[in-house]
Order: sequence, then structure tokens, then C-alpha cells
Amino acid sequence: NAGVMQNPRHLVRRRGQEARLRCSPMKGHSHVYWYRQLPEEGLKFMVYLQKENIIDESGMPKERFSAEFPKEGPSILRIQQVVRGDSAAYFCASSPPPGVRYNEQFFGPGTRLTVL
Amino acid sequence: AQSVTQLGSHVSVSEGALVLLRCNYSSSVPPYLFWYVQYPNQGLQLLLKYTSAATLVKGINGFEAEFKKSETSFHLTKPSAHMSDAAEYFCAVSRDTDKLIFGTGTRLQVFP
Repeated sequence: NAGVMQNPRHLVRRRGQEARLRCSPMKGHSHVYWYRQLPEEGLKFMVYLQKENIIDESGMPKERFSAEFPKEGPSILRIQQVVRGDSAAYFCASSPPPGVRYNEQFFGPGTRLTVL
Repeated sequence: AQSVTQLGSHVSVSEGALVLLRCNYSSSVPPYLFWYVQYPNQGLQLLLKYTSAATLVKGINGFEAEFKKSETSFHLTKPSAHMSDAAEYFCAVSRDTDKLIFGTGTRLQVFP
């Protein structure tokens, strides 16, 4: 059973460009979480999604950031008009449906975004 | 609101010595508590979790943690450190399928 997959692993963008980060959850997992880790800091929750539904986006910046988890395909975290402060590692985690296991989130290897 | 405090951003121990990484939580409801380990340039790996069963939780790689409600603590320990334990360790709290709230992390160094 493959783990959580994220691509690309490294992404370099110039200021003003768009960044698209992809996350494929583990097989059988219907919940996806996105976290951001700034240099020398812990992980901060951004958004929690089920397929075709955003459950909690309380950690998402109000502008330029969006996330989706379509019925088919990976979850996408999209950052428009990137700025240097967006440089960070972005981690995706997936979990089974509620009631199967208590919120055990399995993390992907992360996408390291560098904004020049 | 839930929060986690990890005391000590850096901990250094000698190989073979006891490892103690501290974590205190704040939660208005019974929490689920987790310890994750992160090796350089990698994702997070779950070490162990507390989900209201036994208060002493055993995890992978010889680590364990004890949930102490009276002290609102969930400290991580390992009797004998190994060089391969050098990494960043994160304590986290959540409720059911909710988001994880992470502490700021503790970087563990192990000296020969």
C-alpha cells in the first residue's frame, strides 16, 4: 500500500507566479489535510478537505491560497502570485473516514517551495 | 481552544543516556495526543499516540510516553539514546478527525 504521495518534491517559483502542489492520499483515505512548515518552525494547519468538500479552512490565508480535493484525482493546493514569504515546506496528510481509526494522519514527504 | 507547549527547543544527550522530551497540552475536552518525528528534509512519522486507552503508550523505536491528566503532560521518553534518534520531534493534539495542533518542536542531538 503506497503511502501519501506529494509532487513535486521541490518547486521553485519567481515572485508573482503560481504554485500548484499535489497530494495523492493513501488508498482508502477520504480525508486530506494541508500543513505549512516555515523555516525553524512547527507545522501549522491550513485546510482540511474531504472529496469535493472543504471541511475546515480556518488556517488558510484569506488571499491567494486555495485548495480542492476533486472526486477524481489528487488534492491540489494552489498559491497565486507567490511572494517570498510563501517559501516553506508544505505537507499533506491523509486519514481514513471517521470511526475507522482515531485521527491517525499519515504524512507525505512534503513539497519544498522556494520563491525567488 | 487547544494548544501544545514543548519545553526546550534543543535537547542534547549522550549516546546511551535517557531521552526526555517535554510536552504540555491545553484542551477543554479530552484530547488525543501524538508524537511525531521528522528527519532532515523528510515528512513526519508517527511515533506514538494516546487516544484515551492506556495512559502509558509505547511507540516505535523504543519510545514511550505517559499521559498525565493532573499535570496536562505527555512527555516522551526513551531509556537509552541512539545516534539514529537525532531528529526533530513534534508533540501534537487533536480531537477526533480534527486538525492537528503542533508544538514548535524539539531538536534532539545525540553525542557519541
